[in-house]
Amino acid sequence: AQKITQTQPGMFVQEKEAVTLDCTYDTSDQSYGLFWYKQPSSGEMIFLIYQGSYDEQNATEGRYSLNFQKARKSANLVISASQLGDSAMYFCAMRAGTNAGKSTFGDGTTLTVKP
Amino acid sequence: DTAVSQTPKYLVTQMGNDKSIKCEQNLGHDTMYWYKQDSKKFLKIMFSYNNKELIINETVPNRFSPKSPDKAHLNLHINSLELGDSAVYFCASSQDRLAGETQYFGPGTRLLVL
Repeated sequence: AQKITQTQPGMFVQEKEAVTLDCTYDTSDQSYGLFWYKQPSSGEMIFLIYQGSYDEQNATEGRYSLNFQKARKSANLVISASQLGDSAMYFCAMRAGTNAGKSTFGDGTTLTVKP
Repeated sequence: DTAVSQTPKYLVTQMGNDKSIKCEQNLGHDTMYWYKQDSKKFLKIMFSYNNKELIINETVPNRFSPKSPDKAHLNLHINSLELGDSAVYFCASSQDRLAGETQYFGPGTRLLVL
């Protein structure tokens, strides 16, 4: 069975500072993909960043980077230079090789950026 | 250009009614999905179709019936709506069903059953 755990229901960060959102995962598959999505208060689900299980380098997309530690089964999202518009709910998700037709999502972390 | 679109965006209806939600993607993707997000924001897969074939049915009540007329469309029909069906329903698509393929979501349909 696949499982995603996000242990931080809510996080606060000061504008312009960096913040790390935690995500741990569990799967018996060797081939899997890890994803982060942002859901602002308007409700849409916005894809942010992807990390493949065989990727040796940590993924980066602009101000977003994924701190992938395979042995620890963690895939933390780092947002640098936080902006007010980063305030949203963030979901970690996984798709695993044998049943990749679906994504398993964590419970989400609500990030609030303070001015 | 909207990549994944859903209609309607909002749906308010009475218990016992039947309703449909439509989804279309113009990305040329082979795989489409329906997810349900409840009031606590938990997201859970309901169905997945690959090239019009059902590949995942996550023990959803049979009042919910997906239909894929072609690989660009995946509609969701719900019979005999119940209060517990109130949620946001997201359609999504990906290039294919491989683990490395990103899912792109539609804007969601907010269903309220009274």
